[in-house]
Amino acid sequence: EAQVTQNPRYLITVTGKKLTVTCSQNMNHEYMSWYRQDPGLGLRQIYYSMNVEVTDKGDVPEGYKVSRKEKRNFPLILESPSPNQTSLYFCASSLIGQGRGRTEAFFGQGTRLTVV
Amino acid sequence: EDKVVQSPLSLVVHEGDTVTLNCSYEVTNFRSLLWYKQEKKAPTFLFMLTSSGIEKKSGRLSSILDKKELFSILNITATQTGDSAIYLCAPQTGGFKTIFGAGTRLFVKA
Repeated sequence: EAQVTQNPRYLITVTGKKLTVTCSQNMNHEYMSWYRQDPGLGLRQIYYSMNVEVTDKGDVPEGYKVSRKEKRNFPLILESPSPNQTSLYFCASSLIGQGRGRTEAFFGQGTRLTVV
Repeated sequence: EDKVVQSPLSLVVHEGDTVTLNCSYEVTNFRSLLWYKQEKKAPTFLFMLTSSGIEKKSGRLSSILDKKELFSILNITATQTGDSAIYLCAPQTGGFKTIFGAGTRLFVKA
């Protein structure tokens, strides 16, 4: 089954304690991305990656790091979480490029993070 | 600055009605525009549009893009209660950055 898997689904942590949210996809997609969703602000892109070892900042990258060492995995790292990073986080993956006769995009089920 | 405006913000209709959701955008070096449906949690992909004037259809849903006027519409015909959701429009730039609109919240009454 095609899917994007995020872990953990729920996390409560304390300010300053480093954490990693994992994201894995099984569709061999080139493109992967992280978003945060906050009430009144909608979905905002944190980082994205067009392929292995290629990452770029989205609109709200401050306080986050990512890596893309393998095509299937795209972890989100919060080196020193703060309460303003309390949010619902989504990982997504999709095919890049047109003319392939197929377009698809999938989101993970989300990670609700609370930083106290 | 990249900008996406969806309208209306919310909409209440009766089952069987047809609705049109709007998305206007201004993004750097536009590449494509994606539509998503978000119910309880994660958005689900509906359409990806890259060329003007070519309608994409999936069942009762259809969408079209106008790259000259910088907008897209999503149509839903014969609405059902299961169509109740937030519909999100997301243009992508040439560099593959994605910007989401605030969404249109649709409620379909039985």
